Amino acid sequence: DAGITQSPRHKVTETGTPVTLRCHQTENHRYMYWYRQDPGHGLRLIHYSYGVKDTDKGEVSDGYSVSRSKTEDFLLTLESATSSQTSVYFCAISESAGRSETYEQYFGPGTRLTVT
Amino acid sequence: AQTVTQSQPEMSVQEAETVTLSCTYDTSESDYYLFWYKQPPSRQMILVIRQEAYKQQNATENRFSVNFQKAAKSFSLKISDSQLGDAAMYFCAYRRGGGAQKLVFGQGTRLTINP
Repeated sequence: DAGITQSPRHKVTETGTPVTLRCHQTENHRYMYWYRQDPGHGLRLIHYSYGVKDTDKGEVSDGYSVSRSKTEDFLLTLESATSSQTSVYFCAISESAGRSETYEQYFGPGTRLTVT
Repeated sequence: AQTVTQSQPEMSVQEAETVTLSCTYDTSESDYYLFWYKQPPSRQMILVIRQEAYKQQNATENRFSVNFQKAAKSFSLKISDSQLGDAAMYFCAYRRGGGAQKLVFGQGTRLTINP
């Protein structure tokens, strides 16, 4: 199994508060991703990173920001949490070119976030 | 934009039987990859099988195989000799070729195995 951890695993927070979720990998993979999973939508990409300090937006990035100051850590911040951000959040990593042509993505265990 | 559609929200099968989960996708790209992920009640996303679009041969991983119909943009998953541990949500996913390309997921199919 890929060495990916997410913290916290569960969190309940109030509307309007900032929240930071952490993804940590021990695989030294270049690419990291944040997805959210909601019923009826599968998983949707929030943001991704293609290297330290290099990030870009996904399809549902509004209300979220990310940072990657080290290869192993990718942080997702909800700047002011809203009830619509209640979801399960998954981090994923993938390998760089030359070592995996398919760039398979491996997922962390997920974080269940509830915004009340 | 690429889309992935799983038209079967739920499927059930008797233990030891064979079941096929359907997936269609839409893309104008020629370089892409297709995947099936399994999500058991533990919530962990597990990669089951992958298919490179440039390969004509259908991928196989033990009891799991795919039927990749490129012209029809269809990518179904066949599970043979179904086991109780196969019960899970199954997601079909598409990724364009290249480095940091996002996965586009279907809505998922919940598979129940009847003993």
